[in-house]
Parts: sequence; structure tokens; C-alpha cells
Amino acid sequence: AQSVAQPEDQVNVAEGNPLTVKCTYSVSGNPYLFWYVQYPNRGLQFLLKYITGDNLVKGSYGFEAEFNKSQTSFHLKKPSALVSDSALYFCAVRDAGGATNKLIFGTGTLLAVQP
Amino acid sequence: GAVVSQHPSRVICKSGTSVKIECRSLDFQATTMFWYRQFPKQSLMLMATSNEGSKATYEQGVEKDKFLINHASLTLSTLTVTSAHPEDSSFYICSATSGGAAGQETQYFGPGTRLLVL
Repeated sequence: AQSVAQPEDQVNVAEGNPLTVKCTYSVSGNPYLFWYVQYPNRGLQFLLKYITGDNLVKGSYGFEAEFNKSQTSFHLKKPSALVSDSALYFCAVRDAGGATNKLIFGTGTLLAVQP
Repeated sequence: GAVVSQHPSRVICKSGTSVKIECRSLDFQATTMFWYRQFPKQSLMLMATSNEGSKATYEQGVEKDKFLINHASLTLSTLTVTSAHPEDSSFYICSATSGGAAGQETQYFGPGTRLLVL
């Protein structure tokens, strides 16, 4: 069965500091991995995805994520946080060899960037 | 590109009435649309997957007669909550994909619909 874990309910970081939002996954085959961001009372916005190739994926708004197969992780990072980055972040996974195209979402991590 | 809209953004209704929520892909053809439900401070729960022109596939525990899904065209899917009750109050979000290599396509999400049943 596919699953995603986001171990931190909330991450606090000062503006200008680097940020990391953690995600680990479990699939039976190769993973397709996604990060989305949700602002209050809004839908999810796509940030980036890993399908194959380079383990470091660059996405929207200066975010990037590194696929680590041995640690089954796909942590989201940004070198310098902005107050406007404060939002709810979701990691999601799909089994590349799975029969469906459903995404499995983590429980979300609230990022709070203090000015 | 890849914009998905939902209408209405917010709806308040009386218990026992039915509510229809529309999901549209504005600049692409959506071969598959998904409907999710999100409770406060929780993750998204997939309710059903719909492919244009065919019946929706519902997740376990989701009543198909309660949540009617129609995907009549490549740009429109509707979710109708029939005989709504207060426990149906939630944030409903749709997403759409335009196809491509199986499993690799990105889901693009609508802004969500806040349903409050009194």
C-alpha cells in the first residue's frame, strides 16, 4: 500500500533563514512524488514533482526538493524563507506501477515564517 | 496555464436540500477529474475519480447515491450533494489532469467550495 508521512505538524522559521519541510513515503514500486501548497480557504497549488532523472527538482517560488531513494524521502527546501511562504504544505505520492492514478496525500505541514 | 475553477466558492443551504458544485478546466481538456473532501486542519480525502463519459469510481465508504458525480464533457464535472445534512458541511475540492504518460501527470486543483448545511 502507498503511504506518505509528514512528521511535523508545524515548522517555524525566521524570514531569510533556510527552510525544510520533511516528507517520507512508502510504495511498492517506483514513486512519483509531488509537493503542493495551500493557502487559507483555497485549493492546492502545484509546486513541483519528481518523476525520474535528476534527484534535485526545482519548482515554483524558489522551492526545490531532493529525492532520496535510500531514505525514501522527498524533503521540500528553500534557501531563504519569506513571510509569504507561510501556508500549509502537502506531500503526495503515486506508485509508478500502480493500477490507478490516484494521489496519496500526507497530513500536511503548516509552515510559519516569522518576520 | 492549467487553471481549474469551481463554482460556487461558498454555499449555505438548509438541511434536506441538494447542492451542485461545478468544476471546470479553463485552458485544457481534463480527461480525468477528482473530487476531494477536506475537514478543518486535515488532509484531503479522495471521494471519487471521474473520467469523461463514464461512471465515476467512488472510494470505499463514499455513498455514490449521496454524492452524484457527472463528467459530461472534457472541461466540466459536477458534484451534487443530495439531501444535504449538517455532517456534509465541509470544504470540497476538485482537481483535473490532462492526461499524458500514465501516472506522471500533474493534478491541478480548483480553489474549493465551502459548504455549510444548516
